[in-house]
Amino acid sequence: DAKTTQPPSMDCAEGRAANLPCNHSTISGNEYVYWYRQIHSQGPQYIIHGLKNNETNEMASLIITEDRKSSTLILPHATLRDTAVYYCIVRGTGNQFYFGTGTSLTVIP
Amino acid sequence: EAGVAQSPRYKIIEKRQSVAFWCNPISGHATLYWYQQILGQGPKLLIQFQNNGVVDDSQLPKDRFSAERLKGVDSTLKIQPAKLEDSAVYLCASSLEGIANTGELFFGEGSRLTVL
Repeated sequence: DAKTTQPPSMDCAEGRAANLPCNHSTISGNEYVYWYRQIHSQGPQYIIHGLKNNETNEMASLIITEDRKSSTLILPHATLRDTAVYYCIVRGTGNQFYFGTGTSLTVIP
Repeated sequence: EAGVAQSPRYKIIEKRQSVAFWCNPISGHATLYWYQQILGQGPKLLIQFQNNGVVDDSQLPKDRFSAERLKGVDSTLKIQPAKLEDSAVYLCASSLEGIANTGELFFGEGSRLTVL
């Protein structure tokens, strides 16, 4: 079962940073936080993951709070192609990935 | 590198009929997942294989759904008999195990099932 809570939808102006929040208050010490996104009619695509430290890659940044009960995915300069559903997932110790309902991000021109 | 292959892409059947979906994961990926995604919802994990063994099938409706991965490579998901509520996209994903494993899932394009 999904262990995360996300807002159902968000808007972001093109070129601005998109900050997508996620609550995972029941996360265990060795469980990773993963972010995926799904563009309409495609399979989910990996974005980034982290355990304790903040992470950055070519797609996004992941900020995890010190108590690890929440995190924020940051798309630094949102484009129209970033319009998608974004899923925050806590990876189980058996490598299970339970998706929640995600956040539908709309980037507005 | 070839991605996760799924077939068929689309299938339309009548209720009470049977259907099978096939998935071939990325070469060398030990873990294979089947997800069901109903329109407007997030993917729901149906079953997870580690090589040819089942790791998690807690959300698989075992009265009508079955899945196998006999040789630890490709996998088949079967529904028999189908119900209207089985209309969904069935997604297959795989991941690499081992010390270099990031746990990243690689998804196929999915098989869209419509039950009439």
